[in-house]
Amino acid sequence: DTEVTQTPKHLVMGMTNKKSLKCEQHMGHRAMYWYKQKAKKPPELMFVYSYEKLSINESVPSRFSPECPNSSLLNLHLHALQPEDSALYLCASSQEKTQYFGPGTRLLVL
Amino acid sequence: DAKTTQPPSMDCAEGRAANLPCNHSTISGNEYVYWYRQIHSQGPQYIIHGLKNNETNEMASLIITEDRKSSTLILPHATLRDTAVYYCIVRVEGTSGSRLTFGEGTQLTVNP
Repeated sequence: DTEVTQTPKHLVMGMTNKKSLKCEQHMGHRAMYWYKQKAKKPPELMFVYSYEKLSINESVPSRFSPECPNSSLLNLHLHALQPEDSALYLCASSQEKTQYFGPGTRLLVL
Repeated sequence: DAKTTQPPSMDCAEGRAANLPCNHSTISGNEYVYWYRQIHSQGPQYIIHGLKNNETNEMASLIITEDRKSSTLILPHATLRDTAVYYCIVRVEGTSGSRLTFGEGTQLTVNP
C-alpha cells in the first residue's frame, strides 16, 4: 500500500480566511513533504518534515504554517493568503528514498 | 542538484513502445535517477529509479548509459492512459529527507 490521502480535494477561501490542508499516510514513513504546483508548472518543494521535525523550509512565506502532529499526519495551515497562492498543494511521504504523493488539494484564493 | 534536460513533448502510437530520453550530464556518482509521471490534475506517480544498472518493473524499464550522463525511460506497450507529463529527476541524498527537484518534464501524448 503506497497511499497518501489529502483533504479536502478542493478549497475556495477568501484572503481573510484561515483554513487547513490535511495529509495522512499509514505506511510508517518518517519523512513528509509539502509541494506547491502552479498551473502548467512542475511541483516545487515547500517544506520537509523528518521524524516529525521541520527539516527544510524553502523560504516559504509565513502565511503558510506547517504542522506535524504525529508521524502519520501533516497539516498546512493557511492564513491571509493572496490570489497568487492559488495552486495544487501536494503532500508526499517517504521512508527510504522514494517519495509517494497524494492526489493534492486544489486551492483557489479569492 | 544535477539538472536534467528533457524534450518538452513527444507523441506515441497506442501499443507501440514509448522511449523518453533524459540528459543529466552533471550527475554525481552517488545520485540516483528517478522517473515520475503526472496525469492531468493528479499527484505525481512514482515509476522507477536506478543508479548505474538498467532497471525493470511492471510499469517500465530504465536504461542508463555507462557514463551515466543520460537515461531513457521505456514504456513497452503504451496505452491511452499513459498520456501524462513524465519527469526525470536526479535525487540529492540530503540528511533530512530526500529532496526532489522537478524540471519541466516531457508531455507524452499516446494517440489511438
